[in-house]
Amino acid sequence: DGGITQSPKYLFRKEGQNVTLSCEQNLNHDAMYWYRQDPGQGLRLIYYSQIVNDFQKGDIAEGYSVSREKKESFPLTVTSAQKNPTAFYLCASSITKRDSPLHFGNGTRLTVT
Amino acid sequence: GNSVTQMEGPVTLSEEAFLTINCTYTATGYPSLFWYVQYPGEGLQLLLKATKADDKGSNKGFEATYRKETTSFHLEKGSVQVSDSAVYFCALGGTSYGKLTFGQGTILTVHP
Repeated sequence: DGGITQSPKYLFRKEGQNVTLSCEQNLNHDAMYWYRQDPGQGLRLIYYSQIVNDFQKGDIAEGYSVSREKKESFPLTVTSAQKNPTAFYLCASSITKRDSPLHFGNGTRLTVT
Repeated sequence: GNSVTQMEGPVTLSEEAFLTINCTYTATGYPSLFWYVQYPGEGLQLLLKATKADDKGSNKGFEATYRKETTSFHLEKGSVQVSDSAVYFCALGGTSYGKLTFGQGTILTVHP
């Protein structure tokens, strides 16, 4: 079955460390996205990519970085510059057509102490 | 800019009760509107969508009608089940694919 795999499900890090969250899709979608979810705030877009080797900042990109070297993969690095990194991170993908739905992974819960 | 406002939760209902979750939006142009559902510990799944005014999206007994005159897209279900317990998100499509604006989410709990 096609889908999006995020790993790991839970991640713990010490403050000051960079951490990379994995996102892999086998849906053959061109576009991929990273959203951050905080209680009571909905989802906010961090970065998105419409094609391999290209990506754009979303609404809250500060303190994050991404790469898109392969169509299937869109890893997110949470750097030490991110002031409040503890959150639930969701990766999604879609075809490049307006109104196409987003397909989400099951998320990674990152806790930084 | 675009924004979405959902009714505050949590919403607690008994099984077979009628459900309404209000959603209003602010946007320029003619955006598409979506409802997503998130079950515990999972990502979001598309529940239904509407792409133009007066369209009605429906799925699994849920319905929502795109009302341009009131800028609303309220989610309704005639008879909820315990398995409907989840977080529901209203979302607004932008001018480009995939870049959705989400509401804050509404937690629904259905008791037997």
